[in-house]
Amino acid sequence: RKEVEQDPGPFNVPEGATVAFNCTYSNSASQSFFWYRQDCRKEPKLLMSVYSSGNEDGRFTAQLNRASQYISLLIRDSKLSDSATYLCVVNTGANNLFFGTGTRLTVIP
Amino acid sequence: NAGVTQTPKFQVLKTGQSMTLQCAQDMNHEYMSWYRQDPGMGLRLIHYSVGAGITDQGEVPNGYNVSRSTTEDFPLRLLSAAPSQTSVYFCASSYGAVLAKNIQYFGAGTRLSVL
Repeated sequence: RKEVEQDPGPFNVPEGATVAFNCTYSNSASQSFFWYRQDCRKEPKLLMSVYSSGNEDGRFTAQLNRASQYISLLIRDSKLSDSATYLCVVNTGANNLFFGTGTRLTVIP
Repeated sequence: NAGVTQTPKFQVLKTGQSMTLQCAQDMNHEYMSWYRQDPGMGLRLIHYSVGAGITDQGEVPNGYNVSRSTTEDFPLRLLSAAPSQTSVYFCASSYGAVLAKNIQYFGAGTRLSVL
């Protein structure tokens, strides 16, 4: 079983739509959680860390559910510039980070 | 600051050749790591280092060597390239790996093809 699993998509949504991605992780001892964004043929960049109480950054909201071992990312009022692949990243407590395969989002005009 | 610099950006090797992928960071980060990214597999950790003189294996270390003689540099060596090592390689650095505040900064990547 993979450490981190994501729906690969693609998600094709119109501008202005709300879209949500989920990610599940297998290690219940996982300690920290992140969402990264990766544009085509570019390096990943941090979108936001995910805190136990949930956190929001503008149009983006991240939630953590430790009981069910999943994290989510909600994007409101989608923009064309949100088109990218979103990577779920989990740290299991050692110096290892595990990346999901990514969820591809295309925002359509 | 330049951030994380990787060289080369592209490389084509023949099976059995050796080469070193270079990675340097100017942020005084203790933690550095190498990943490979393959279609459908996501990024997988090859090797990492928590400080100068200390290295450890990640998820997929076979066929790769690393060293960390300085805080700034973390080269990845392929001793005898194989077609299975065709991939995009990313170097990353951060203050650490465990805490939520430890943002990973990635280099632009090296696209390697082994024929």
